[in-house]
Amino acid sequence: GENVEQHPSTLSVQEGDSAVIKCTYSDSASNYFPWYKQELGKGPQLIIDIRSNVGEKKDQRIAVTLNKTAKHFSLHITETQPEDSAVYFCAAMDSNYQLIWGAGTKLIIKP
Amino acid sequence: KAGVTQTPRYLIKTRGQQVTLSCSPISGHRSVSWYQQTPGQGLQFLFEYFSETQRNKGNFPGRFSGRQFSNSRSEMNVSTLELGDSALYLCASRGKLNTEAFFGQGTRLTVV
Repeated sequence: GENVEQHPSTLSVQEGDSAVIKCTYSDSASNYFPWYKQELGKGPQLIIDIRSNVGEKKDQRIAVTLNKTAKHFSLHITETQPEDSAVYFCAAMDSNYQLIWGAGTKLIIKP
Repeated sequence: KAGVTQTPRYLIKTRGQQVTLSCSPISGHRSVSWYQQTPGQGLQFLFEYFSETQRNKGNFPGRFSGRQFSNSRSEMNVSTLELGDSALYLCASRGKLNTEAFFGQGTRLTVV
């Protein structure tokens, strides 16, 4: 079945710098890859997603890239701000429409 | 449009008791999934219901069960609670199976 690995588990960046979180997946049939942000005490919230017919998608300071050949996708956050501090989860949707989740990345923005 | 609503938000139970958590999905959504999240851990999938039928199930013992009603509201039950069941329980709903999941705020269960 599908397996998703997410790195790093913790990422500390200076405010204003960029942050990159990477995920790899195993099932080449997976075709939907969302990214979620979870703030303290809240449920995860979708911030951006990408489907396998697209290589890159941007939304203001956030972008996601997908490399189907290598089976990996990445979240890029530019000009990081204190409010970007949170736990980020990637996921891949398998052929049974089940979301398989990465282990999460704790992003810390240093002032 | 109201979001996913989970009740109660907080719960304290004693070992050996049972507990029922409730999840009301976004109106029109027929898929409801449940997850367990322990401190520092990711999202551990419990099960998913779609139109009152269990579609997928994670690797949890039989003490964890769920159901979905005809109005798509879902409940999960944990019997014979153990200390290790203390966690944040999240539910998520989807309109179509190949679209994004919307999460509730979660129910924080503490077993003492």
